Amino acid sequence: EVQLVESGGGLIQPGGSLKISCAVSGFRVSNTYMSWVRQAPGKGLEWVSVIYAEGNTLYADSVRGRFTISRDKTKNMVSLEMKNLRAEDTARYFCARERCNVGTCYQENWGQGTLVTVSS
Amino acid sequence: QSVLTQPPSVSAAFGQKVTISCSGGRSNIGNNFVSWYQHVPGTAPKLLIYDNNKRPSGIPDRFSGSKSGTSATLGITGLQPGDEADYYCATWDSSVSAHVVFGGGTKLTV
Repeated sequence: EVQLVESGGGLIQPGGSLKISCAVSGFRVSNTYMSWVRQAPGKGLEWVSVIYAEGNTLYADSVRGRFTISRDKTKNMVSLEMKNLRAEDTARYFCARERCNVGTCYQENWGQGTLVTVSS
Repeated sequence: QSVLTQPPSVSAAFGQKVTISCSGGRSNIGNNFVSWYQHVPGTAPKLLIYDNNKRPSGIPDRFSGSKSGTSATLGITGLQPGDEADYYCATWDSSVSAHVVFGGGTKLTV
């Protein structure tokens, strides 16, 4: 059974750092694309970052230079390290298994998310 | 403001049919495949449709997807109370640095 379980969210002051993680079972994170998607309070879904099976990474303009996605093959986990956090980063962060091919990318499996609140 | 435009809300009666539209441009929907997600707040989003009209295993055929030009549509027939949720379209956009872009979401009330 495929499961994605996020952890590490919490309350953090503006300018602070936080690392959230996603523990995966049912498939290997090293063999697939893994992405982070967030949902701010009262807002829609926003793609944040992806790590390809080959290890390449991409980021949304809003987080590039502040967020870093990584994976731990031995623990079968994906993480998102967030620095210089801003109030507008407040959101529930979901990790997802992504499937991509020519002209298509979609999130096949999702976790329930972890809540990150940036506030003083 | 989302790159893909969806109506904020739609409603229909139990047992009836509803459609949700998603409008984009040539750099996204016009040249790429569309996916649709169902999200009940507090739970994990669920993939309903991928590659415009394909359903993952376990998704009933009450859910369907189509695409024409730069627009896509999600159809749901035989509406049930459990279908009340937020629905999002998404696709890859070649004009921006975002890997995937989502619509603003549509709240379905049954």
